Amino acid sequence: DVKVTQSSRYLVKRTGEKVFLECVQDMDHENMFWYRQDPGLGLRLIYFSYDVKMKEKGDIPEGYSVSREKKERFSLILESASTNQTSMYLCASSLAAQWEVQPQHFGDGTRLSIL
Amino acid sequence: AQKITQTQPGMFVQEKEAVTLDCTYDTSDQSYGLFWYKQPSSGEMIFLIYQGSYDEQNATEGRYSLNFQKARKSANLVISASQLGDSAMYFCAMRELQNFVFGPGTRLSVLP
Repeated sequence: DVKVTQSSRYLVKRTGEKVFLECVQDMDHENMFWYRQDPGLGLRLIYFSYDVKMKEKGDIPEGYSVSREKKERFSLILESASTNQTSMYLCASSLAAQWEVQPQHFGDGTRLSIL
Repeated sequence: AQKITQTQPGMFVQEKEAVTLDCTYDTSDQSYGLFWYKQPSSGEMIFLIYQGSYDEQNATEGRYSLNFQKARKSANLVISASQLGDSAMYFCAMRELQNFVFGPGTRLSVLP
């Protein structure tokens, strides 16, 4: 089974802090994704990565950056955390080959609170 | 523009009955994939079933089936013999090339 592991289930940080959310997958997937999920707004794509050292902006990249130095790890960085970044963050990965039929596999999510 | 529409914010179904969750999508691509995910109250996203745009047969996976009507751009999820553990949020998603789009979700409640 694919395993996508997010470093923290719950995280509390202060406004202005630099925050790192880590995601690791163990199935050699090329594609990795970061979403945030808010009540009434569903899942919104922040960034995704086709492969190592590659990244693409999603729908809401402002205030975030990402790093993919190794294939298995995709990090989301909040450069200067703000209260409106309090949310549930979900990481996912998928294979690139036959992409039409490749589902995303999700981590358990990180509930991030910015005080 | 909304690419995935789920018109039912909430649904109720009696245990052991079948239920259909609606999903319509919008794309001009010839190649795409459609997926359904379940999110229980614990928060994890669980992949249920997929349908490729070129698949002519409707996908089935245990109690889940996907009613794919390409001309209508709909991909409804059918859950047969509902169980109490099926109570959750259900998301329809579409993959275009290297991007995923999720619908707003339908909250399903299974009544004993």
